[in-house]
Amino acid sequence: EIVMTQTPLSSPVTLGQSASISCRSSQSLVHSDGNTFLSWLHQRPGQPPRLLIYKISNRFSGVPDRFSGSGAGTDFTLKINRVEAEDVGVYYCMQAAEFPWTFGQGTKVEIK
Amino acid sequence: EVQLVESGGGLVKPGGSLRVSCAGSGFTFSTYSMFWLRQAPGKGLEWVSRISPDGDYLHYADSVKGRFTISRDNAKNSLYLEMNSLRVDDTAVYYCGRDWFGEFYWGQGTLVTVSS
Repeated sequence: EIVMTQTPLSSPVTLGQSASISCRSSQSLVHSDGNTFLSWLHQRPGQPPRLLIYKISNRFSGVPDRFSGSGAGTDFTLKINRVEAEDVGVYYCMQAAEFPWTFGQGTKVEIK
Repeated sequence: EVQLVESGGGLVKPGGSLRVSCAGSGFTFSTYSMFWLRQAPGKGLEWVSRISPDGDYLHYADSVKGRFTISRDNAKNSLYLEMNSLRVDDTAVYYCGRDWFGEFYWGQGTLVTVSS
């Protein structure tokens, strides 16, 4: 199975500053159809996860443009610009290029 | 408005069975692949199973293969997960989701607790 490795696992950030999370996959996430099925999810405490970014860089409906995704192949990054209080929680990367779908360990973002 | 509402969670003894359901609305259910995720208390996310729009293609995580069965009834806009031989480590919130070529959406989840 594809192993997803996130860094860092914890990220204290100052309100208004930027945060960046990396995700590395153990093999390429390019699907046979040419798409790269790498997503980013956000989960607030006590809430279900919600989709932020799909196919590397596409923002899901309603997601602020402060969130952006980039990368290719096996290395991906989520960037959060101008961090707000509502951005705290755990961020997961997820691959759906190959079964079983797998997730990173999660990165906890908290305000300093 | 797209809605996915899970139901059927509860307390079950080890070795027991349970069926959780998911009702979809606000979209054409029969055109979407659907899946189940789960999250054990205080842990990360785990993909469980996925079913194609017509129900012909099924995929399972190794941890549930042979014990869990995913199915759907497109006439009822419903997704199911039949869980047998439940173990304590199956305790989790189970989320139902829809998949549109990598664009995912899921519900609020239903808690399944396996305990004696």
